Amino acid sequence: AQKVTQAQTEISVVEKEDVTLDCVYETRDTTYYLFWYKQPPSGELVFLIRRNSFDEQNEISGRYSWNFQKSTSSFNFTITASQVVDSAVYFCALSAEYGGSQGNLIFGKGTKLSVKP
Amino acid sequence: DTGVSQDPRHKITKRGQNVTFRCDPISEHNRLYWYRQTLGQGPEFLTYFQNEAQLEKSRLLSDRFSAERPKGSFSTLEIQRTEQGDSAMYLCASSLTGRSEDQPQHFGDGTRLSIL
Repeated sequence: AQKVTQAQTEISVVEKEDVTLDCVYETRDTTYYLFWYKQPPSGELVFLIRRNSFDEQNEISGRYSWNFQKSTSSFNFTITASQVVDSAVYFCALSAEYGGSQGNLIFGKGTKLSVKP
Repeated sequence: DTGVSQDPRHKITKRGQNVTFRCDPISEHNRLYWYRQTLGQGPEFLTYFQNEAQLEKSRLLSDRFSAERPKGSFSTLEIQRTEQGDSAMYLCASSLTGRSEDQPQHFGDGTRLSIL
């Protein structure tokens, strides 16, 4: 069975603080994909990043960085120098590979991030 | 690229009524997914289409739910004899998927269903 756990339900930080959102996944598949999506108050899910199981390189995009560790089945997300606009619910998701492409997404319950000025 | 479009944005109906939602995916996207999201939870997979073929249905999709994608473009999700527990946000996503073109799913704004 596949499962995604986001243990942090809510996090509150002050602007300019760094914050890390945790994600732990479970799967028996050897090939899979991991994702992070952002859901601002407006409701639309915004794609942030996708990683496949063979690519353990960490990635940095501006103030965002992701740490993928297969040994601990974790795919953590760090926002550096947080801003008020980062306030949203962040979802980690997992999908298996079917026929060489990704399948449906299994989402965690999300972490609500509040960044205060 | 206009993004995934869903209609209506909000639907309020009485218990027992039928409702239908529409999703227009990003053009040329061959896969279309439906998810349901309840308050405080992550989205849960309902079903997906590869072109016009419905390839997978979740156990969450009871007999009262039916989805179609007749021409491989837009899709409809119908709920018959709605129940209180059907109140949720219904999300549509699309992606371009294939061996050499495998893109992540992009989501629409969703249709929020409220059952009175």
